[in-house]
Amino acid sequence: IAGITQAPTSQILAAGRRMTLRCTQDMRHNAMYWYRQDLGLGLRLIHYSNTAGTTGKGEVPDGYSVSRANTDDFPLTLASAVPSQTSVYFCASSETPNHEQYFGPGTRLTVT
Amino acid sequence: GENVEQHPSTLSVQEGDSAVIKCTYSDSASNYFPWYKQELGKGPQLIIDIRSNVGEKKDQRIAVTLNKTAKHFSLHITETQPEDSAVYFCAASMKSSYKLIFGSGTRLLVRP
Repeated sequence: IAGITQAPTSQILAAGRRMTLRCTQDMRHNAMYWYRQDLGLGLRLIHYSNTAGTTGKGEVPDGYSVSRANTDDFPLTLASAVPSQTSVYFCASSETPNHEQYFGPGTRLTVT
Repeated sequence: GENVEQHPSTLSVQEGDSAVIKCTYSDSASNYFPWYKQELGKGPQLIIDIRSNVGEKKDQRIAVTLNKTAKHFSLHITETQPEDSAVYFCAASMKSSYKLIFGSGTRLLVRP
C-alpha cells in the first residue's frame, strides 16, 4: 500500500504556464486536501474535498483550481503560474473530515 | 477566521531534557487539535492529537494538554533524543468546517 503519492517531485515552471500537480491515494479516504508550505508560514489550506464530487475553498484558493472526479485522485491546477506560487505543495487525505490527515511527500514548485 | 499561534519558533534542548511547545487558537468552536512532526524533505506526520472533551493525552514520551478556557494547547516531549529533532506543527479544526488551521511551526534541535 503506497498511501498518498504526488507527482512530480519537483518542477521548474515559467510564469504564465499551466501546471497540474497530481495526487493519488489508495486508502479509499473520503476527504482530500491541498496545502502549500512556505517558510515561516506553516501549511495553508488551498482547496479541499470532503467527498468525491464536491470541493471547497481553503485559506488561499486564488490562482488554483481542483476537481474530484473519483475517490482516489485530487489534482491541483495552476491555470497561469506566477512567481508567488513558488512553494512546496502537499496533498493529504483523511478517512472522513475532522480525522487524522495523512500527507504525501510533497511537490516542490518553482515559478520563474 | 480561525488563527493559530505557535511558540517558540526554534527550540534547542540537551538530549534527555524535556521540550514544550505551546499553541493558542482564536475560535472557541475548535474541537480537534493534532500535532505533526515534519522531517527534512518529508511530509508532516501525525504524532498525537486531542479532542475538546479531553484535557490531556499521553503516548509514551509525548503528551498533549488542552486548556479550552484559555484556548491553548501544548506538546510535551520528555527524555528527548536526537531523532526527535524536526519541525513540529500544531493545528486546530472546527467541527463545522473540518478545516485544519496550522501554526507556523517550531524547529526543535536535540543536542547529543
